Formats: sequence, C-alpha cells, structure tokens
Amino acid sequence: DAKTTQPNSMESNEEEPVHLPCNHSTISGTDYIHWYRQLPSQGPEYVIHGLTSNVNNRMASLAIAEDRKSSTLILHRATLRDAAVYYCIPGPSNYKLTFGKGTLLTVNP
Amino acid sequence: DTGVSQDPRHKITKRGQNVTFRCDPISEHNRLYWYRQTLGQGPEFLTYFQNEAQLEKSRLLSDRFSAERPKGSFSTLEIQRTEQGDSAMYLCASSFGTGLHQPQHFGDGTRLSIL
Repeated sequence: DAKTTQPNSMESNEEEPVHLPCNHSTISGTDYIHWYRQLPSQGPEYVIHGLTSNVNNRMASLAIAEDRKSSTLILHRATLRDAAVYYCIPGPSNYKLTFGKGTLLTVNP
Repeated sequence: DTGVSQDPRHKITKRGQNVTFRCDPISEHNRLYWYRQTLGQGPEFLTYFQNEAQLEKSRLLSDRFSAERPKGSFSTLEIQRTEQGDSAMYLCASSFGTGLHQPQHFGDGTRLSIL
C-alpha cells in the first residue's frame, strides 16, 4: 500500500472553501485515490475517488497532481456538518481500504 | 435504502467471555466488510465477503475471531475468549457490484468494552 501523509488537523470558517492535502509519493500507476470522511460517533462515509484527472461530485472535488504524488480534496463551501476526520486512501481497489489517521477538520461558525 | 445496520451499538463484557455482533447490509449489496477501529486511529480491515464467500482475512483476525455470512445476507462477527485488547469499535460496511471501486457504505459500529 502507498504511504500517505496528511496534516493532523486543519481549521476552516463556515461558507469558505477548504483544501485538504494528501501526499502519496509511493503510489503505483494503477492505484486510485479514495477519500472518505468520518463524522463524530459515526462510521466512515465515502466522499470521492479518482485515478488521474480531476473529479467532481455533489460533495466535493478531487484535484490530482500531474505526477499523481499528491492530491487535494476541495470542499467548495464548508458547513458545520463538514467537521470530520478526512481520510485519503490510495489503493488498487475499494474493497480493502487502508485508513491512516486522517486530517481532523474543524469548521468555525 | 435504510443503510447498514449494526447490533448491538454497545457491548460491555468481562474478559474471557464470548461476544457476537450482527451486521445487516444494505439490501442487494453483495459485498460485506468488517473493520476494527481503536481510539485515535483509522479503521483497520479485518475481513471481506462476496456473497456468502469469505474472500480475504487480515492477519489481525486471530483464531479467536470468526465471521460468517450465511446465504449472503446478514453477517456475524464472533470473538471468543475476549481480551482487553479487543476493546474497540467494530464497523461493518457493504457495497454493490463487482467493480473494483464501488463505494463502501458503513454502519455506525458496535463499541465493545472489555472489563
């Protein structure tokens, strides 16, 4: 599994964009980049995934560097409900997720 | 879509006792996963079923642990002769389809405390 580096914590203000970085310099050519988040007292929740090109869905955008050694999850307008631990998970498939410690996002009102 | 359901939500037991957890996946989801999460850490993969077949088991799943998924529907995770180190949140997830990147849908877990 590719090794990932994420900030332990980040802070944002409500209704502002948030950029959550992830370094995965040992990612293999066939590894996708998956993002999940975990709200307090809940199980993880799928956010988005991608391989090479940038991806958008109703929750977030995923920007993947050209060399694929890093990616950034973008929340366009943070809400209080987005306060969670965000996990960046490179891997060949989505069936055996290897979670790290993730980034704890705090959203200030 | 009622989501993944896990029962019980909390379990307190004495060391040495056996415990069993149940997971009901989202209807028609053919894949089911078990994870364990300790405080301050991300979830760790334990095992994975496709329909009723258990296809992979982590080395974390010692011989005291057994998981089943009879008839490819609900699943149970049993821990025999519980130890202090088994205290954790046990999470179940399910996904649909045979593709490599189907999102996993997680339940809210069963929190196990060993006295």
